[in-house]
Amino acid sequence: DQQVKQNSPSLSVQEGRISILNCDYTNSMFDYFLWYKKYPAEGPTFLISISSIKDKNEDGRFTVFLNKSAKHLSLHIVPSQPGDSAVYFCAAKDAGNMLTFGGGTRLMVKP
Amino acid sequence: KAGVTQTPRYLIKTRGQQVTLSCSPISGHRSVSWYQQTPGQGLQFLFEYFSETQRNKGNFPGRFSGRQFSNSRSEMNVSTLELGDSALYLCASSEQRRGLETQYFGPGTRLLVL
Repeated sequence: DQQVKQNSPSLSVQEGRISILNCDYTNSMFDYFLWYKKYPAEGPTFLISISSIKDKNEDGRFTVFLNKSAKHLSLHIVPSQPGDSAVYFCAAKDAGNMLTFGGGTRLMVKP
Repeated sequence: KAGVTQTPRYLIKTRGQQVTLSCSPISGHRSVSWYQQTPGQGLQFLFEYFSETQRNKGNFPGRFSGRQFSNSRSEMNVSTLELGDSALYLCASSEQRRGLETQYFGPGTRLLVL
């Protein structure tokens, strides 16, 4: 039973446009959510996080939105750049320190 | 600060052998977690160590074990390797302050079992 799901395995966006990556979760005990970016054969790089007491967190071109009632979060990248092309993972934590990851979404930003 | 480092970066073993992977966390970080990434299963939690004690364990067989040293460096060991153990093994560290915190990942060790 996947507790964190990223239903879109891939997403293609034109450079300069907005990229929206989605993530759904089932465990209501999750209270901290993170987005990581990953290139092949490298470790995930932390992008942005949000706690369950907030509904939005912004850092430069990256904004994460959390809808607790829908158990849904999304990552917005504006404007998208070709260097953003990578696999994006959402992850969630409960009171412990274990991350539960979604399956990832491959983002391709076309020039 | 230097990031999380993992050694070796690449490893080839044969079935039945055992392997030890090493992880050095970010200076000051006391929590070290290990994850396995495979194409079919994605990123899965193996275990977490804090102050030389295993604090949390994922759903992996006993062939997977680990330890943490007093300087927070950690090793994980896989015994009796199987073909399905071929994966990218990732280590992540965090400070373990109270409240919310982020785990930072190393580059991983790519293990190939033949």
